[in-house]
Amino acid sequence: SQTIHQWPATLVQPVGSPLSLECTVEGTSNPNLYWYRQAAGRGLQLLFYSIGIDQISSEVPQNLSASRPQDRQFILSSKKLLLSDSGFYLCAWSVARKRGTDTQYFGPGTRLTVL
Amino acid sequence: AQSVSQHNHHVILSEAASLELGCNYSYGGTVNLFWYVQYPGQHLQLLLKYFSGDPLVKGIKGFEAEFIKSKFSFNLRKPSVQWSDTAEYFCAVNANTGFQKLVFGTGTRLLVSP
Repeated sequence: SQTIHQWPATLVQPVGSPLSLECTVEGTSNPNLYWYRQAAGRGLQLLFYSIGIDQISSEVPQNLSASRPQDRQFILSSKKLLLSDSGFYLCAWSVARKRGTDTQYFGPGTRLTVL
Repeated sequence: AQSVSQHNHHVILSEAASLELGCNYSYGGTVNLFWYVQYPGQHLQLLLKYFSGDPLVKGIKGFEAEFIKSKFSFNLRKPSVQWSDTAEYFCAVNANTGFQKLVFGTGTRLLVSP
């Protein structure tokens, strides 16, 4: 069966520091991968998605970037964190299909607090 | 672009009460519809989904949802809630053409009192 891992589970970082959040998926190959941010009362906002290695699309302009160095690894980064980057970051995967009938499965998330 | 509205932000019910959470979406084409649930301290997990066929969809833990195309709605229901249903519920939609992003509603926090 497929599993998705995220680490760290929680992170407290000072403003201006770099960030690296990691997501890995096991038990499947060539998945679509996603990064979301969940803010209280605002649902889930899609930040990035990837349909393959080095194929990444950004949804919103922001202080963050994403990379996919391996098929089942998705990394969320920042060179300098802002206070507004605080939030709960979720990684998700889905089976790659040509049609839009893909169910997304979510990881446990990373709680990021920027001070 | 699609959008999803969940009008109930907070719902408080007693055990055994019936539940209906509203979800409306805006998109003129064929859509796939989802309800996800996030129990306290747990992963966001799929509750049920609709792709095609019978508009009444049954999910895990006694939940069901009905797709009403004319109303652009996909309301979640459960006839008798339990304390363990306390969670946040998210409705989501994506267009059923090519690669389409999943758009989420803002969520509904359900508190079931014993």
